[in-house]
This record gives sequence, structure tokens and C-alpha cells, in this order.
Amino acid sequence: KQEVTQIPAALSVPEGENLVLNCSFTDSAIYNLQWFRQDPGKGLTSLLLIQSSQREQTSGRLNASLDKSSGRSTLYIAASQPGDSATYLCAVTSGSRLTFGEGTQLTVNP
Amino acid sequence: GAGVSQSPRYKVAKRGQDVALRCDPISGHVSLFWYQQALGQGPEFLTYFQNEAQLDKSGLPSDRFFAERPEGSVSTLKIQRTQQEDSAVYLCASLKQRLMNTEAFFGQGTRLTVV
Repeated sequence: KQEVTQIPAALSVPEGENLVLNCSFTDSAIYNLQWFRQDPGKGLTSLLLIQSSQREQTSGRLNASLDKSSGRSTLYIAASQPGDSATYLCAVTSGSRLTFGEGTQLTVNP
Repeated sequence: GAGVSQSPRYKVAKRGQDVALRCDPISGHVSLFWYQQALGQGPEFLTYFQNEAQLDKSGLPSDRFFAERPEGSVSTLKIQRTQQEDSAVYLCASLKQRLMNTEAFFGQGTRLTVV
């Protein structure tokens, strides 16, 4: 059974800092990995999708990497802003489902 | 529509009441998922449809939960005889193609509170 772990569970940083969120998974037989953002009381917004054959994807200030063999992904956020405050979830696609981690709750302080 | 639409956004049910949650996926999307998200946790898989076929329902927690997608578009998640532990946000996602190839788009969710 696929298990996904996200570290840290919560993170508080001052505005302008670069930061890294971590995601690990137990079964490397995945199709892809997706990072999502969730604001309080809202649904999930897709940030980046990395196919299993890819090593990284970039979108604006976000960069996600994937090391399938070691079962790890990182989400790098450059020059963080208060508007980046949210919960960040990673999900791996394998079998017939996406399996989610518990999320990292990020707070960026002005 | 522009995105995945779920209704109602909020539902309060008395314990023992039946509820029906609706998901309108992005037009033309083949795959559809239902997830359950408890407060402070990540979403947990409930069931997966490819067109009208329910390919995986192993995540449904009990036989009180039932999902359908009769015409391969709109899907309904039904919960019979609701219990307090059913209180959660129910999320629907759709994908343009089969699971392994494409990005999942989620709706805003339905927050179910059982009192």
C-alpha cells in the first residue's frame, strides 16, 4: 500500500525567504506526482505535475523535483509572499488512485 | 464549465438522514474520483470512475456509501443513514484522460456536518 509523508507538518517563515517542502513515498512505481495548494475551507488547486519520467517542473516561483528511485519530491518556493500562506499537499498517482500526504501548513509572515 | 463544480457547498444532516452530493466534472473529462477529507488531514480515496464504469470502490468506508455516474458525466455520492463520523469535506476530481497520463482538477468540495 502506497504511503505518502510530508515534512514538516507546519512551517512559519518571514516574507522573502526561500523554502523547501518535502514529500516522500514508499512505492516508487508511480505514474506521476502532483503538488496542490489548499486554502482554508477551499478545494485543491493544482500547482505542478511531474511525470514519472521527469526530474523537475517549474512554474513561476515554484520548482518541484522528483527522485523516483529514492521516493522523494521537493517543492521549492522562492521569495515567499504572505499570499503563499496555505496548506501544500503532494499526491502520487499509482494503481487506480492518487494517494495524498497529510500536507504542510505554510505561514508567510509580512 | 470552467472547472469541477460540486453541490451543495455545505450540508448539515441529522444523524440517520440520507444525503446526496453532486459532482459536475469538467466537460469531456473521462476519469472522476471522490475523496473524503477529515479536518487537518489529507484527502482519502473513496472511489474511481472511468466514464460510467466504477473501476475501484475499495475506499468506500461502508455499504452506506454509494456512488454512481450513469452517463459518464455527472456523479452522485450518496450516504445512507448518516453518522457523526461521516462529517468531513467530500472532494471530487476529474481528469481529461486515464489516470496515469494527466493532471487532476478538484472541485471546491462539499462540507458535510452530521449532528
